[in-house]
Amino acid sequence: RKEVEQDPGPFNVPEGATVAFNCTYSNSASQSFFWYRQDCRKEPKLLMSVYSSGNEDGRFTAQLNRASQYISLLIRDSKLSDSATYLCVVRAGNTPLVFGKGTRLSVIA
Amino acid sequence: DVKVTQSSRYLVKRTGEKVFLECVQDMDHENMFWYRQDPGLGLRLIYFSYDVKMKEKGDIPEGYSVSREKKERFSLILESASTNQTSMYLCASSTDRVHEQYFGPGTRLTVT
Repeated sequence: RKEVEQDPGPFNVPEGATVAFNCTYSNSASQSFFWYRQDCRKEPKLLMSVYSSGNEDGRFTAQLNRASQYISLLIRDSKLSDSATYLCVVRAGNTPLVFGKGTRLSVIA
Repeated sequence: DVKVTQSSRYLVKRTGEKVFLECVQDMDHENMFWYRQDPGLGLRLIYFSYDVKMKEKGDIPEGYSVSREKKERFSLILESASTNQTSMYLCASSTDRVHEQYFGPGTRLTVT
């Protein structure tokens, strides 16, 4: 199985800051893309899907660059509650999801 | 709400014991998965199942087996537990129509 690579962090940012996470994937056959969020000692949960045209959900914006095999997540106006690990996830065809190792974010007051 | 439950949150077993980890989902999902998660290694897929009685090896199946006799239940079995199987074990389920995976709360297994 091809890998998904993320900067592990940690990213330590003040409240209100804008922070961006990047992810690259090696399987060019990947068709579905997601960001999951995992709080400390909790299970991962879907944050948002990533569409080819880019998509936004409140303070969160996800973008996909298929040519470069690159996915990004932008968080604006960071809140303390955004502190978590963010997992980049891809899927090719009907195969299981492939998870990155995650990027840890700490938002500091 | 989708609910995935796991039989134990914490489990301590001795080396050589047979260990059963149970997972149950209540949303009639076709697909079920077992992962382990370790610091610095992320989520690693052990086994998965796309239907009752079906199972497929994931990336790290060695030392594990699974059973899926009913659609809602997927069991992970450690035939002879070893200390390197100390980990957080996460079960997940999904449906073919929506790719989102729903995870259980995890079982932290310690093998001494």
